[in-house]
Amino acid sequence: NAGVTQTPKFRILKIGQSMTLQCTQDMNHNYMYWYRQDPGMGLKLIYYSVGAGITDKGEVPNGYNVSRSTTEDFPLRLELAAPSQTSVYFCASSYPLGIPEKLFFGSGTQLSVL
Amino acid sequence: AQKVTQAQTEISVVEKEDVTLDCVYETRDTTYYLFWYKQPPSGELVFLIRRNSFDEQNEISGRYSWNFQKSTSSFNFTITASQVVDSAVYFCALSVRGGGANNLFFGTGTRLTVIP
Repeated sequence: NAGVTQTPKFRILKIGQSMTLQCTQDMNHNYMYWYRQDPGMGLKLIYYSVGAGITDKGEVPNGYNVSRSTTEDFPLRLELAAPSQTSVYFCASSYPLGIPEKLFFGSGTQLSVL
Repeated sequence: AQKVTQAQTEISVVEKEDVTLDCVYETRDTTYYLFWYKQPPSGELVFLIRRNSFDEQNEISGRYSWNFQKSTSSFNFTITASQVVDSAVYFCALSVRGGGANNLFFGTGTRLTVIP
């Protein structure tokens, strides 16, 4: 079982460049999330989606955009990359059961903006 | 507001020792859920346990056990007879009723190193 797949695993960007982090899941989960993890910190929610066509901001959405055209895919776009966006990015998914459900995480994307 | 504190930044133990990871949470909600996740060196977070605020029974799963005490707002995690494979960063997290997983607050994590 593939679960949640993220690509790429590593990326170095120059300031001002743009890129898209890809995330796909094969578990037919409605909910999908993007988190960032800064060194020595917990995960912070960037954006989430409760289904195709529906997205909403999390705690730290500035500088990012998302879209959800299918149940499987939830790409995260960085426009005009800044050094403050250097972080490890995790995509996750879950199946809503009316109570907070466990998240299934991808293996992460380590992004450096120089 | 919700908050999770993991005061232990790093812990090192020798293999076969027992180790307890502390988690203290803050919330005004009466219904909430607590989680533990493990992040091994490979990077992917793995779900370990979920408990709700109405169930204070301790839980044991193999070498893992969890002690939930509402009186002290703590949800501590103990590994018995630690092994090298337990080396990882462990995160405690909190979600409140109605928030769903989109309202999950993580602690800063505890890095556990088990020395052979």
